[in-house]
Amino acid sequence: EDQVTQSPEALRLQEGESSSLNCSYTVSGLRGLFWYRQDPGKGPEFLFTLYSAGEEKEKERLKATLTKKESFLHITAPKPEDSATYLCAVQAGSNTGKLIFGQGTTLQVKP
Amino acid sequence: KAGVTQTPRYLIKTRGQQVTLSCSPISGHRSVSWYQQTPGQGLQFLFEYFSETQRNKGNFPGRFSGRQFSNSRSEMNVSTLELGDSALYLCASRSTGVEQYFGPGTRLTVT
Repeated sequence: EDQVTQSPEALRLQEGESSSLNCSYTVSGLRGLFWYRQDPGKGPEFLFTLYSAGEEKEKERLKATLTKKESFLHITAPKPEDSATYLCAVQAGSNTGKLIFGQGTTLQVKP
Repeated sequence: KAGVTQTPRYLIKTRGQQVTLSCSPISGHRSVSWYQQTPGQGLQFLFEYFSETQRNKGNFPGRFSGRQFSNSRSEMNVSTLELGDSALYLCASRSTGVEQYFGPGTRLTVT
């Protein structure tokens, strides 16, 4: 069964304290792995798509990497405005819009 | 380019009633997917529509249904509402690629 597990569930950082969020996945025929950011009461905001092991993508203080079994979202020198829930999702198989989401990591960055 | 819009944003219904939610995708996007988000289950895929046809369906009872119109706008309907249907209902659209872009969601409360 396709499955996505994120850890930790919650993470508290001081401003400027770098860290990483983990997303482990079990899926047959990975078509893409996605990272989203979700603020309270809002819909998920698209961040990155990763397609194959070894791929990396960066956006401001965020960097996403992918291996055959997991993905990491590295946050460098975070700021309070980076506080949000970060969601990982996978799309498997043929052309389908079905995304399988992890439970998310809630990040709080204190000034 | 305008993002995905959902109406209404908030809704309060009574058990046993039915509800219809609406989603307008990003201009040019022909695929619309619906998700249910709850604190306990996270984000779960409901169904996907493409060119007015349901292409995929998640593991939800038949009380949950949807449709798509020729202008790609989509509606989902939940009949005979139960307390457990209280959730944030999210709509996402995509073009020919894999990235999905989410709307702000409709917060449904069933009393």
